[in-house]
Amino acid sequence: QVQLQESGPGPVKPSETLSLTCAVSGYSISSGYYWGWIRQPPGKGLEWIGSIYHTGSTYYNPLLKSRVTISLDMSSNQFSLRLRSGTAADTAVYFCARLRVAGTCEFDHWGQGTLVTVTS
Amino acid sequence: QSVLTQPPSASGTPGQRVTISCSGRSSNIGNNHVYWYQQLPGTAPKLLIYRNNQRPSGVPDRFSGSKFGTSASLAISGLRSEDEGDYYCAAWDDNLNAVFGGGTQLTVL
Repeated sequence: QVQLQESGPGPVKPSETLSLTCAVSGYSISSGYYWGWIRQPPGKGLEWIGSIYHTGSTYYNPLLKSRVTISLDMSSNQFSLRLRSGTAADTAVYFCARLRVAGTCEFDHWGQGTLVTVTS
Repeated sequence: QSVLTQPPSASGTPGQRVTISCSGRSSNIGNNHVYWYQQLPGTAPKLLIYRNNQRPSGVPDRFSGSKFGTSASLAISGLRSEDEGDYYCAAWDDNLNAVFGGGTQLTVL
C-alpha cells in the first residue's frame, strides 16, 4: 500500500523559503513513476506546483517556476519542495502525490496535506 | 482565474443524476486526457476518473466521464449524500504544465 506523508518546519516568514518533504512508503521511488506537489489556498481550488520524474527531469508551473525547486532523495525514499521568497499568497495546504503517467494529471496516491502559513 | 472552467456549484436530490462540465482549450483538453478528482470535506483529493472515462478500482460505476473536443463532463447517477464535496477536472497542457479547474461544490439536497 503506497502512502505519502508531507512534513515541514511550520510557519514561514515573508521573503523566506518554504521547504517541505514528502516521505513515501510502500514503494521505492527509484523504481519508477513520477512525483508531484499540488497546493490549495484556504477555501480555494487546487494549483499544480510541479512534478519530478524518477530520471530527475522536472516540470514546473510557469507562474511559480522562478521560485520553485523539486528534488528527489532516493536514499531516504522521499522528495522535496523548496519555494523561495514566500509571500502571504503562498499560504496553502500543500499536498504531495504520485503521478502514475508522465505528461498527465493522473495523481493516483496523495498525502493528507500540510498547512503552511506565511506570516510575520 | 483557473485555466479550466467549471461551474462553481451544482446540486441534486438523492437518486438524481447530475453533471459537472469542464471547459478548456485545444492545448489542454483538446489534445490530452481529462482527469476528475473528488475532494470530500477535510480530506485530500481522490482520483475519480482518469483518461477521460476510466474509473480506478473501487470507484462506483455511478461515476462516469466523457470528453468532446475541448470540453469534458463528469456525470454522477443515483446521487447519494456521501457524494457531497468538491469536484475538480484536470488536464495536461501542451505547454508542459498541469492545469486544474476551479472546482465545483456539489450539494445533495
